[in-house]
Amino acid sequence: NAGVTQTPKFQVLKTGQSMTLQCAQDMNHNSMYWYRQDPGMGLRLIYYSASEGTTDKGEVPNGYNVSRLNKREFSLRLESAAPSQTSVYFCASGDAPSYNEQFFGPGTRLTVL
Amino acid sequence: AQSVSQHNHHVILSEAASLELGCNYSYGGTVNLFWYVQYPGQHLQLLLKYFSGDPLVKGIKGFEAEFIKSKFSFNLRKPSVQWSDTAEYFCAARDTGRRALTFGSGTRLQVQP
Repeated sequence: NAGVTQTPKFQVLKTGQSMTLQCAQDMNHNSMYWYRQDPGMGLRLIYYSASEGTTDKGEVPNGYNVSRLNKREFSLRLESAAPSQTSVYFCASGDAPSYNEQFFGPGTRLTVL
Repeated sequence: AQSVSQHNHHVILSEAASLELGCNYSYGGTVNLFWYVQYPGQHLQLLLKYFSGDPLVKGIKGFEAEFIKSKFSFNLRKPSVQWSDTAEYFCAARDTGRRALTFGSGTRLQVQP
């Protein structure tokens, strides 16, 4: 039981490049989330998926797209990376009755030059 | 708008000192509250949570938190910290009508041996 896994762990991009961050969970959760963590700002929700086939914007969705590929996988795509997207990205999953008790992946540290 | 405030950004304590980290939230309705911890190089882990009932909640590793509804607060406490408690601590809240969490900006705790 691996919990929530994320790939890659580290990535460096040049401005304008694209990439996809992968996330998978093996806990059979319906809900999955993408957050970014920036110094002094805590974690901010980018997008979430309440169930397979649905996605919703969070607090900071601009510049990102997501895909809920199946129940296990939820990917985050940067179409044209910008330096402002330099951050640590965390994927999480959770489910009823404790939507609140989210389980987090190890994070992806992304630097955009 | 929903928000969570952590007023202590960086706290330095000596081992065996007592700890209290402040957290205030802005929701007016029913809210679920959490403290997460992020040890250096690791992902977020749940320390404790409050859903309802006894406002004094006990979590792992000797941590506890008290929900004071009249003050919109959920402060984290530990009577005697250890060097291994060095980490970043995040308060989070969820309006029971939503799935996603709102996080505070975090408090970095440094415990000196």
